[in-house]
Amino acid sequence: DAGITQSPRHKVTETGTPVTLRCHQTENHRYMYWYRQDPGHGLRLIHYSYGVKDTDKGEVSDGYSVSRSKTEDFLLTLESATSSQTSVYFCAIRFSGSINEQFFGPGTRLTVL
Amino acid sequence: AQSVTQLGSHVSVSEGALVLLRCNYSSSVPPYLFWYVQYPNQGLQLLLKYTSAATLVKGINGFEAEFKKSETSFHLTKPSAHMSDAAEYFCAVSTKAAGNKLTFGGGTRVLVKP
Repeated sequence: DAGITQSPRHKVTETGTPVTLRCHQTENHRYMYWYRQDPGHGLRLIHYSYGVKDTDKGEVSDGYSVSRSKTEDFLLTLESATSSQTSVYFCAIRFSGSINEQFFGPGTRLTVL
Repeated sequence: AQSVTQLGSHVSVSEGALVLLRCNYSSSVPPYLFWYVQYPNQGLQLLLKYTSAATLVKGINGFEAEFKKSETSFHLTKPSAHMSDAAEYFCAVSTKAAGNKLTFGGGTRVLVKP
């Protein structure tokens, strides 16, 4: 499983509240990714990181921010959650030098009421 | 821009029958292609990958896929379905031109009938 954990695994929150999801890895991989999974859309990239304090936007970044102050942690924040952000969120890592095969965490199911 | 289309959001097969999942990609540069499998309430697991070496790629659990440039396809097959193959399958593409970011298809859910 490439040593990836996500927390929390499940969360229910209300519209307008801030939410932070955590991805933790134990193997010092440089590249980390946040995706959301919605029926019919597969996985879509929200943000990614290529090193400590180095992050960039993916295709569905509106309403999300990220931070990476340590190699092992990549945080995804919903500043003010909306019902459209109800989804399953996956974190992934990529081995440096690999041809972009990514390894995924177990996911966080987020429900925004 | 790169994209992936998976034909059929649901596929039903009988145990022991051929599994065929279709994936077509769009890319203006040579792609890397991947198939992932997701079992219920789990993350995605890499089944196999194409990285411009052999066009016929063998993966885990008896699956294989063939890269056909002329058809821009990377279909996934397994000769004989097992009940444990019931899952959702995702095709994905990446290219150096797109910063090695993965773009996924919409997924195909496989139901295996006894």
